[in-house]
Order: sequence, then structure tokens, then C-alpha cells
Amino acid sequence: DAGVTQSPTHLIKTRGQQVTLRCSPKSGHDTVSWYQQALGQGPQFIFQYYEEEERQRGNFPDRFSGHQFPNYSSELNVNALLLGDSALYLCASSLGQGTGELFFGEGSRLTVL
Amino acid sequence: DQQVKQNSPSLSVQEGRISILNCDYTNSMFDYFLWYKKYPAEGPTFLISISSIKDKNEDGRFTVFLNKSAKHLSLHIVPSQPGDSAVYFCATKSGGSYIPTFGRGTSLIVHP
Repeated sequence: DAGVTQSPTHLIKTRGQQVTLRCSPKSGHDTVSWYQQALGQGPQFIFQYYEEEERQRGNFPDRFSGHQFPNYSSELNVNALLLGDSALYLCASSLGQGTGELFFGEGSRLTVL
Repeated sequence: DQQVKQNSPSLSVQEGRISILNCDYTNSMFDYFLWYKKYPAEGPTFLISISSIKDKNEDGRFTVFLNKSAKHLSLHIVPSQPGDSAVYFCATKSGGSYIPTFGRGTSLIVHP
């Protein structure tokens, strides 16, 4: 039973570029959440997708956008990259609303130069 | 403004002793509390949780205590093992939200 998988694991971009990160949820899960974890910080919620719709959004600018596909996989897009976007981006899946118990992938490490 | 605070960035404990990790929260609407553990180069993994109707939940060597009046929870690990060395995140959520809010984490090092 595959857990949450994310790609790519590492990537380097320059300021102003755009990036797309991908996530496949754990088998049987229908909800995908994205988090940003900066160095020395806890995971910060970006948004959550359920039934191909953005269900809830954190305090992130519109440069951060996402999508969920019919197979429940998801993408996170970040436009006009800033140096401060350098972080570990974590995808987490869950079933429905749940209790907050999330299953995380290993993350995508983004470095913006 | 942090709603979930883990004021100790790190904790060092001898193998076999008790590890106590603390967490404070500000929002009295939070009614479900979780602890996650994170090893380097891995995503966080769920460890243990407690709802606001309880004040203690135990799972093997791990026990979470909740003090609602003080808005404080703690994770006890007894006995601590070197394999417990990891970053521990406290997370909380309210019934009306789908999303847990995470603290900054405490790095636990258990020395052999």
C-alpha cells in the first residue's frame, strides 16, 4: 500500500520563475492538504483540496495555487518565486474531514536563488 | 501571532529516562490535539492524539496529558529510547476546521 508520494524531491529555481509540485495521496484518501515548512518552523497550512475544489485556504498570497484531479492527486503551483519561498513543501492526505490525523509525504525541497 | 507554542526548541534526555515535551495553545475553541514526530528527510508521522473531553491518553510508551484550564498539553515518553530522537510537533484543531495548526516543534535527542 503506497503512502503519500511527492515529486520532485529537490529542485532549484531562480527568482521570478514558476514551479509545480506534485502529490499522490495515500490509497483510499480523497483529501489533500499542502503545507510549507521553512527552516526552524512548523508546517504552515497553504490550502486543502477535496472533490477537486479548494475547501480551505491559509494565509498565503494568490501566487500560490493548486489543483486536484479526479484521481485525487494534486498539484501546487507557485508563480513569481521569491527568495522567501525557499522551504520544504509537504503534501498530506486524509479521508474526509477526519480528526486532523494527516499522512504526510517526504516533501519537496525548493530552493530559490 | 502563534496559536500553538512549543517554547523549548530542543530537549536532551538520557536513554531510559522520561522525556516531557510541552505545548501551549491560545484558542479555547481547539478541541482536538495531536502530536507528530518527524525524522530528517521524512515527512511528519502521526503519533498520538487526545480530544478535549479527556485529560489523558496512553499508547504504549507515549502518554499525552491535556490541561484545558491552563491551555496546556504535554507528551511523556517513558522510557526514552535513542530511536525516539526526532522533532516533535504539537498540533491542534477545532471541530469546525478541517485543518490542524502546528507548533514550531521541539527537537528531542535521546543519548545512549
